[in-house]
Amino acid sequence: NAGVIQTPRHKVTGKGQEATLWCEPISGHSAVFWYRQTIVQGLEFLTYFRNQAPIDDSGMPKERFSAQMPNQSHSTLKIQSTQPQDSAVYLCASSGNTGQLYFGEGSKLTVL
Amino acid sequence: GDSVTQTEGPVTVSESESLIINCTYSATSIAYPNLFWYVRYPGEGLQLLLKVITAGQKGSSRGFEATYNKETTSFHLQKASVQESDSAVYYCALGDLPSGSWQLIFGSGTQLTVMP
Repeated sequence: NAGVIQTPRHKVTGKGQEATLWCEPISGHSAVFWYRQTIVQGLEFLTYFRNQAPIDDSGMPKERFSAQMPNQSHSTLKIQSTQPQDSAVYLCASSGNTGQLYFGEGSKLTVL
Repeated sequence: GDSVTQTEGPVTVSESESLIINCTYSATSIAYPNLFWYVRYPGEGLQLLLKVITAGQKGSSRGFEATYNKETTSFHLQKASVQESDSAVYYCALGDLPSGSWQLIFGSGTQLTVMP
């Protein structure tokens, strides 16, 4: 079985540009999570969906960040007007009925 | 608030030595916390190592063990004899599965290097 697939693996943007990160969850998994990892903050929860519906976005910055799950096979995390402090590894995870999270390898975003 | 604190790395041990990575948690808003250890091997994604849902129980996997101690709010990861292949980053995490929330709160991670 393929695991969680995240694309791109690396993205470099200029300050003020938009960045979109993609996640393909494991087939059959009903929940998709987004986390952000930085050296300073560690692994921070951003948001999650269950059965494509947004359940908890308490970790999402209120401005510039948005996440969607238009169908059960992919989710996107969009960052508008990227800033250097947005540089991080963005991790996507999916989960089935057990609640166990299966993570992708992450998308490393670098904002110059 | 809810949080997880674990041994700050990096930690370096020699092969066949014993290992303990400390993890303590604070779960002020979670009635029945669940505890997890995740591991990230070089070049791979974060993956579940072991989990314990109920206080007082022990989880084990790949020679690692962790006991959920509600009295000391701890979930230390131990291994009697480490191998070079155990070199990885280990994350302790706190969850609240019974409430239906699958969000996890992670510790900062502990980089482990096992020397041959």
